[in-house]
Amino acid sequence: KNQVEQSPQSLIILEGKNCTLQCNYTVSPFSNLRWYKQDTGRGPVSLTIMTFSENTKSNGRYTATLDADTKQSSLHITASQLSDSASYICVVGDQTGANNLFFGTGTRLTVIP
Amino acid sequence: EAGVTQSPTHLIKTRGQQATLRCSPISGHTSVYWYQQALGLGLQFLLWYDEGEERNRGNFPPRFSGRQFPNYSSELNVNALELEDSALYLCASSLRTGHSNQPQHFGDGTRLSIL
Repeated sequence: KNQVEQSPQSLIILEGKNCTLQCNYTVSPFSNLRWYKQDTGRGPVSLTIMTFSENTKSNGRYTATLDADTKQSSLHITASQLSDSASYICVVGDQTGANNLFFGTGTRLTVIP
Repeated sequence: EAGVTQSPTHLIKTRGQQATLRCSPISGHTSVYWYQQALGLGLQFLLWYDEGEERNRGNFPPRFSGRQFPNYSSELNVNALELEDSALYLCASSLRTGHSNQPQHFGDGTRLSIL
């Protein structure tokens, strides 16, 4: 069964600190892995997209890594800001041609001053 | 560049009624996707339209349906509303070329509440 699991479910960190969010998946055949940021009451915004051949991709203070062998990904946030408070969603696409995307339930990050 | 726009922002219905949600994709995008996000749950894929055709459908009953118009805008229709249909309905759009790796751009959703 194609699944995407994220951990932790929620996380509270101090402003200025770094943090790492985890994503494990069982989707096969694998096509791509995406990280989205979703602010409360808003739609998700794409942070990174990685294909099988990419093992790291950065977008400002956000760096995603991918290990396709172990089917794991992480999202590292550097020097967190209050505006980073949001849900971070891991999404994995398959290669079936039906454009299937499998969504994790997200990690709720709260950055406190 | 205007983003994905959805209307209405909020919609309140009662059980058994019908709801219509609308979505305008980013200019140049031909693919439109619909998702349901129930409170506390992850996004669930509903429908994918491209070039006016339904390309894929998620595991939802037939009372969830939609269509895509020639200008690529889309409608999601939900018939015989049930309490568990209360959720945020998100629309996303993307380019069709190499679609499997194209980012999907989301609107801010329609909050559907069933009383």
